Amino acid sequence: AQSVAQPEDQVNVAEGNPLTVKCTYSVSGNPYLFWYVQYPNRGLQFLLKYITGDNLVKGSYGFEAEFNKSQTSFHLKKPSALVSDSALYFCAVRDNSGGYQKVTFGTGTKLQVIP
Amino acid sequence: SQTIHQWPATLVQPVGSPLSLECTVEGTSNPNLYWYRQAAGRGLQLLFYSVGIGQISSEVPQNLSASRPQDRQFILSSKKLLLSDSGFYLCAWMRGQIVQETQYFGPGTRLLVL
Repeated sequence: AQSVAQPEDQVNVAEGNPLTVKCTYSVSGNPYLFWYVQYPNRGLQFLLKYITGDNLVKGSYGFEAEFNKSQTSFHLKKPSALVSDSALYFCAVRDNSGGYQKVTFGTGTKLQVIP
Repeated sequence: SQTIHQWPATLVQPVGSPLSLECTVEGTSNPNLYWYRQAAGRGLQLLFYSVGIGQISSEVPQNLSASRPQDRQFILSSKKLLLSDSGFYLCAWMRGQIVQETQYFGPGTRLLVL
């Protein structure tokens, strides 16, 4: 079975500082990893994904994520946080061991960027 | 380009009443379709997914059911709503046969059962 853990319910960061939102995963095959953002009362918006290749993945709105196979992690990062980045962030995983139709989501991390 | 629609956007229903939420996708064919529930603005719970017309997989046995009468239409139903059915319901789609594909979400339906 596949699973995702987001160990922090909330992350607070000052505007202009770098931010990191953590994610670890567990799969039986090779992982496909995703990050989504959700603004209040809205659907989830896709930010970026890791499929294969370069461990550093760049996505929308200046976000990037680093895939670390040995630590089974896929942390989301941004060099300089904006107040408008305040939202709920979800990490998700799918593996290629045959059950690829299903995506498993983490419990979400609320990012608060303080002006 | 592809678009996913959900309606209604908001719904207030009494306990014991029926429910029908609709999701449609435009601009693609034979998508995988998903229903999620999000309670208290946090984690997503996968309720149902479908890989084709009439094919429904249930993840969590409960008061809800799903149907896929057409290729790009996915319906979430209940015969009698419970208070615990309140939440934010999200529909999503994904290209069915491409394993690296991304899941895309609709705008959601806020359901309040009183």
